[in-house]
Amino acid sequence: NAGVTQTPKFQVLKTGQSMTLQCAQDMNHEYMSWYRQDPGMGLRLIHYSVGAGITDQGEVPNGYNVSRSTTEDFPLRLLSAAPSQTSVYFCASSTGTGYTDTQYFGPGTRLTVL
Amino acid sequence: GQQVMQIPQYQHVQEGEDFTTYCNSSTTLSNIQWYKQRPGGHPVFLIQLVKSGEVKKQKRLTFQFGEAKKNSSLHITATQTTDVGTYFCAGRNTDKLIFGTGTRLQVFP
Repeated sequence: NAGVTQTPKFQVLKTGQSMTLQCAQDMNHEYMSWYRQDPGMGLRLIHYSVGAGITDQGEVPNGYNVSRSTTEDFPLRLLSAAPSQTSVYFCASSTGTGYTDTQYFGPGTRLTVL
Repeated sequence: GQQVMQIPQYQHVQEGEDFTTYCNSSTTLSNIQWYKQRPGGHPVFLIQLVKSGEVKKQKRLTFQFGEAKKNSSLHITATQTTDVGTYFCAGRNTDKLIFGTGTRLQVFP
């Protein structure tokens, strides 16, 4: 199993550009989520999904869109990139929201918005 | 909304000294998880606590969940240079897993 994969690893955007961060998992996990990590801020939840066709907002959803058309994929779309979105983005998946779910993280995407 | 705070933000210790990080939630949690992130890496799951007052040990690491299920702690005995990294707690309330701000541990040989 590849686990959780993320592409690209690095990306530089100009203000106003749009792009999609890709996330895929091959563990048949129902629960997937996106976090951003900024110095001193920890990991902040952007959006999450409890299954295909279902998504919901996390702590910091503004400026981001998600969709979950399949169990495997959970892409994150930046609609119009802003310098405040410069961050490291992590995708994670788990078996579900039960009492014994472990979050498996991808390697991250380091995004810089100029 | 739910908030999870960790203290301290940074901790520098001499190898062999003990280390403790504390996690506090604004709401009651159904469970709490701990993760470790090495510099340049991604968070890796360490352990999950579910029961009120629960204590679990992993070699030199001791994890505790508070009686009110709103706080937790991680204690490392006799730190080693391999313990370097950032330690995060993550609290679950309903279907959201909210991470704490993290404690960055530096160990000097």
